[in-house]
Amino acid sequence: GDSVTQMEGPVTLSEEAFLTINCTYTATGYPSLFWYVQYPGEGLQLLLKATKADDKGSNKGFEATYRKETTSFHLEKGSVQVSDSAVYFCALSAGMDTGRRALTFGSGTRLQVQP
Amino acid sequence: EPEVTQTPSHQVTQMGQEVILRCVPISNHLYFYWYRQILGQKVEFLVSFYNNEISEKSEIFDDQFSVERPDGSNFTLKIRSTKLEDSAMYFCASSAQGALGEQFFGPGTRLTVL
Repeated sequence: GDSVTQMEGPVTLSEEAFLTINCTYTATGYPSLFWYVQYPGEGLQLLLKATKADDKGSNKGFEATYRKETTSFHLEKGSVQVSDSAVYFCALSAGMDTGRRALTFGSGTRLQVQP
Repeated sequence: EPEVTQTPSHQVTQMGQEVILRCVPISNHLYFYWYRQILGQKVEFLVSFYNNEISEKSEIFDDQFSVERPDGSNFTLKIRSTKLEDSAMYFCASSAQGALGEQFFGPGTRLTVL
């Protein structure tokens, strides 16, 4: 079945450091890929998404490119802030052609940014 | 900004008891979902609901679970006879569209089964 693998956390960075959180997936067909973020005490919020190969999703300085050849969707940000401290989840859905809407999540990566 | 709300935020129950977790999805959304996250594990899909019926469910969603949209605003998850392993954070989500529609998540209900 479909699966998502994320790098283990926590990731601890200093403010203004470069961030990469790795995500790889296994899926049949043409999944859509997502990054969700969870701030303390809140629900999951969609950060960015990409629906086909080579698409780049971006939002709030975060970017991720859908790489079909490496089945990856790594999250990057050039300069992190303390306010970016949260748990980040990579996820996929099977894709419009399947009609399946369920999200398959990775295990989440906790990011801690120190001032 | 519209948001998904869930009640209660924390529910403690005895093993074998029935619990109902409540969600109010965003008002113009048509698709509704339940997910759960056991402490330290992945967020797992339970069920999706559209047009007053279950459209998809996972292996976790067995006969002990049921969902209902009792009125125009609420969406509920019932666990008929709770087990210790049902202890988890339960997230409700809703979306306006199908497969490509963003799912908006609620803050979750933490269920503790003693």
